[in-house]
Amino acid sequence: DTAVSQTPKYLVTQMGNDKSIKCEQNLGHDTMYWYKQDSKKFLKIMFSYNNKELIINETVPNRFSPKSPDKAHLNLHINSLELGDSAVYFCASSQGGSWGTTEAFFGQGTRLTVV
Amino acid sequence: RKEVEQDPGPFNVPEGATVAFNCTYSNSASQSFFWYRQDCRKEPKLLMSVYSSGNEDGRFTAQLNRASQYISLLIRDSKLSDSATYLCVVNELRAGGYNKLIFGAGTRLAVHP
Repeated sequence: DTAVSQTPKYLVTQMGNDKSIKCEQNLGHDTMYWYKQDSKKFLKIMFSYNNKELIINETVPNRFSPKSPDKAHLNLHINSLELGDSAVYFCASSQGGSWGTTEAFFGQGTRLTVV
Repeated sequence: RKEVEQDPGPFNVPEGATVAFNCTYSNSASQSFFWYRQDCRKEPKLLMSVYSSGNEDGRFTAQLNRASQYISLLIRDSKLSDSATYLCVVNELRAGGYNKLIFGAGTRLAVHP
């Protein structure tokens, strides 16, 4: 049973389109993340939610809008896709706490290609 | 200065070699530290946490120096299967008790026969 699952695994779309990536975790964690890994393989945080509440919003264009309907789901919607959005997007979850976080589990990634 | 900096590599080593990776972080308030491993076209997975006293897991040893804001990973007796990218990860505790995991750019290791 997959702990963190994201769909789709591959997404090829044209510039200007709107697309969504879904993520679900069955670990009971309270914190979920979206990371972007670009062609240089640098993994950069985009958003973090704790119990459905947005807690981290890095300098990401407002074309990217995360939505967390409940603490087990964190979806990412992207409007007006641009060539530079091509990357691998990873969803992750962890159990937070004031002492620090436990291990973060990652989904398999969504390889987005904008043409 | 980047929040988490690592040697970019690649490190090309023969089987059986000992190899060490270094990582520095900029925020002295960082709370916890990890090494993750990422295989080609796969998701990152936790390799080991890094404790202040240093810790060992089989062939892998992690060290933390808070004063110098420096983390290291030592791999002894390298195996072909150790070939991967090793990511240094720092957890910053934010206001409200929330955590932010910050990843270094990764160090590529290639172990050859």
